[in-house]
Amino acid sequence: AQSVTQPDIHITVSEGASLELRCNYSYGATPYLFWYVQSPGQGLQLLLKYFSGDTLVQGIKGFEAEFKRSQSSFNLRKPSVHWSDAAEYFCAVGARGGSYIPTFGRGTSLIVHP
Amino acid sequence: KAGVTQTPRYLIKTRGQQVTLSCSPISGHRSVSWYQQTPGQGLQFLFEYFSETQRNKGNFPGRFSGRQFSNSRSEMNVSTLELGDSALYLCASSLDQPARNEQFFGPGTRLTVL
Repeated sequence: AQSVTQPDIHITVSEGASLELRCNYSYGATPYLFWYVQSPGQGLQLLLKYFSGDTLVQGIKGFEAEFKRSQSSFNLRKPSVHWSDAAEYFCAVGARGGSYIPTFGRGTSLIVHP
Repeated sequence: KAGVTQTPRYLIKTRGQQVTLSCSPISGHRSVSWYQQTPGQGLQFLFEYFSETQRNKGNFPGRFSGRQFSNSRSEMNVSTLELGDSALYLCASSLDQPARNEQFFGPGTRLTVL
């Protein structure tokens, strides 16, 4: 079975600073990988996903993520954070065979200082 | 097109009562998944329905049940409520298998058990 770890529970950055949120997964092959964002009082929204091909994936709201097979990682990045990016971010892993259900990380709470 | 809707948005119940939550997926989506979100446990998968059949089930007691109708709308029911059932319940719809497709989440139903 797959698993996913988001090592950082909280991250605080200043507005305009760069951002990297970490995600590590455990799976026997290359999984499907997702990043979702949850703003306060709302459901989750997909930022980007990786299925195959180019390991650098572009998403919405200026986010990108890079799949690194050797490190079993799928870190999310943004070059310049805006105050509206303050939210909870979830990494999710889906298996290519077997379970139909993705496994979500515990989430990273992003705090943005003005 | 309209997003995933969930009703009600907020519920307050007392221990021992039962509750029914409703979810209307995006038009054309046949897969509906339910998740329980709490600060301590994160996002936990409850069950997934596809074409009116429960296709996957998480590790929750039998007090948690669900169903899906022919129009893909779904309901989940929790009987004999316990204090620990207080959580945000999220519904997500997708075209097919959630592990391999983008899930669209509703805003959730906030259940408080007193």
